[in-house]
Amino acid sequence: ETGVTQSPTHLIKTRGQQVTLRCSSQSGHNTVSWYQQALGQGPQFIFQYYREEENGRGNFPPRFSGLQFPNYSSELNVNALELDDSALYLCASSLDEGTYEQYFGPGTRLTVT
Amino acid sequence: KNEVEQSPQNLTAQEGEFITINCSYSVGISALHWLQQHPGGGIVSLFMLSSGKKKHGRLIATINIQEKHSSLHITASHPRDSAVYICAVVPYMDSNYQLIWGAGTKLIIKP
Repeated sequence: ETGVTQSPTHLIKTRGQQVTLRCSSQSGHNTVSWYQQALGQGPQFIFQYYREEENGRGNFPPRFSGLQFPNYSSELNVNALELDDSALYLCASSLDEGTYEQYFGPGTRLTVT
Repeated sequence: KNEVEQSPQNLTAQEGEFITINCSYSVGISALHWLQQHPGGGIVSLFMLSSGKKKHGRLIATINIQEKHSSLHITASHPRDSAVYICAVVPYMDSNYQLIWGAGTKLIIKP
């Protein structure tokens, strides 16, 4: 039990639609990172937020965007969904910028048809 | 060449066997994670190491910073240990503390 929750657990969307995935971090964890894990592959870093500001970004297009809120929750938004966006989306929180230990949520399985 | 390499890619063993999974990396790191992922499931962090050795139950993780190598050992393996085990590193001087992930080792323990 990591204290990090994600919703929904599973989601099916149609190509071209928009989706919002949610993550609730442990209280006091100011940093949240989002990862995309395609089937059979390792997670790919999407972006990281620290105290509600984007703090780093991986090689993902601008249609992937995020928000972090003062209550330690965050969102990943994906616009204009493509079939290749089908993946497990993981969020991970950590106490602060200076800590390496990340606590992972269970993930949201997104299927784009 | 990937910056984080794991071996073996796949491992099948009998219940009770001693399991070793290896991770080699080519970048300087601040920390290394061992994580576990069950089929279709989320990721659970097992260990975070920056030096030496850590033990938790039947799991042992070691790291040799000079050799840029880490190992995860499972003693008295059990079918419930069947999962993908992933090594991920935090590159040194990466201000975002992003993880670089290995491809994972798929472990199957047969009863």
